[in-house]
Amino acid sequence: AQSVTQLGSHVSVSEGALVLLRCNYSSSVPPYLFWYVQYPNQGLQLLLKYTSAATLVKGINGFEAEFKKSETSFHLTKPSAHMSDAAEYFCAVSDAGNNRKLIWGLGTSLAVNP
Amino acid sequence: DGGITQSPKYLFRKEGQNVTLSCEQNLNHDAMYWYRQDPGQGLRLIYYSQIVNDFQKGDIAEGYSVSREKKESFPLTVTSAQKNPTAFYLCASKVQTNTEAFFGQGTRLTVV
Repeated sequence: AQSVTQLGSHVSVSEGALVLLRCNYSSSVPPYLFWYVQYPNQGLQLLLKYTSAATLVKGINGFEAEFKKSETSFHLTKPSAHMSDAAEYFCAVSDAGNNRKLIWGLGTSLAVNP
Repeated sequence: DGGITQSPKYLFRKEGQNVTLSCEQNLNHDAMYWYRQDPGQGLRLIYYSQIVNDFQKGDIAEGYSVSREKKESFPLTVTSAQKNPTAFYLCASKVQTNTEAFFGQGTRLTVV
């Protein structure tokens, strides 16, 4: 069965520091992978997606993620954190058995300290 | 503008009452989903529908019901059988296989 693991339920960084949010997946087929952001009491917004084109994917708000098949990882990074990046981040993979469903990680809460 | 509209944003329910959460989309998406979100538990799938007049149970369907009479609408009823309904509920839709899901702004349901 497919699964998504987000390492670290809470991550704290200083403003201007590198942001690294980790996501590992398991999939029996080439995966389609997604990162979403959620601000308090709001819905989820797509940050970026990997669909087997380029392994380095650039998204909105300066975020990017690199697909590494050998490591089954899709970590999210941003070179310099901004206070407005404080939010919950979710990694997801398409369900190979039912391709209209997404399998979700439990999320990582990012805090940005001044 | 195209999107997904959930209403109401906040909903209060007395114990023993059924309540219905609305989800409407004008994106012409075939697939629609309901998720429940609790702190630290990520998104848990309640029900999903891939086509009009058809829907399937997700991982936590007990105490919930849905209908899909129109492509644009996928209302969720939280019944009195749901023992712990206080949560944040999210509706989403997708156009096809391996594409991203689009989300509404959520409904926060509180049992009083």
